[in-house]
Amino acid sequence: DTEVTQTPKHLVMGMTNKKSLKCEQHMGHRAMYWYKQKAKKPPELMFVYSYEKLSINESVPSRFSPECPNSSLLNLHLHALQPEDSALYLCASSQGRWANYGYTFGSGTRLTVV
Amino acid sequence: GENVEQHPSTLSVQEGDSAVIKCTYSDSASNYFPWYKQELGKRPQLIIDIRSNVGEKKDQRIAVTLNKTAKHFSLHITETQPEDSAVYFCAAPTSGGSQGNLIFGKGTKLSVKP
Repeated sequence: DTEVTQTPKHLVMGMTNKKSLKCEQHMGHRAMYWYKQKAKKPPELMFVYSYEKLSINESVPSRFSPECPNSSLLNLHLHALQPEDSALYLCASSQGRWANYGYTFGSGTRLTVV
Repeated sequence: GENVEQHPSTLSVQEGDSAVIKCTYSDSASNYFPWYKQELGKRPQLIIDIRSNVGEKKDQRIAVTLNKTAKHFSLHITETQPEDSAVYFCAAPTSGGSQGNLIFGKGTKLSVKP
């Protein structure tokens, strides 16, 4: 298995809802990432997990809460989001913590906040 | 920290022509430079990368060149085909060498006209 799987593919949620995005990989990668991508923009880093521990939080609002239950799974819990949070949320993984291992991206969850 | 600039933002070529996309970086210690292709509505996919111990790397119709002195690297696509139409992102590590996470250029939308 050489893929990163994200679910759901699409999500529409209200500003008072609580939802979760899920990411799974079975490549034995020990670093996992959440990126946010707005239309016609590059991916922007949100969180980095290395060996299941949060190593980077790029000043992301607390309404986004990441979780890494084990080395294969990465979740992003969403609560009280704003319409401007609508974007494509990409999960990625890499063999090791450093950039030169290259990233494998999932297909993303397209989130719409109404 | 690293800063990556990418040009041009859009590029239109005729099928069969060559396309060149250029990126400049700021941190002279950076030594890993990947290129990602993102088709409309799909995930970014690593298409080629280069490390600073080489000046050029080729993979069929795609090549990347690196000029460490000038701190720029370029993606070259020869004999372009309509399926090459996509947004291309260059990237570099946020910290020195190959450490840190990837920071992406703003992207180049390549259109190949049949």
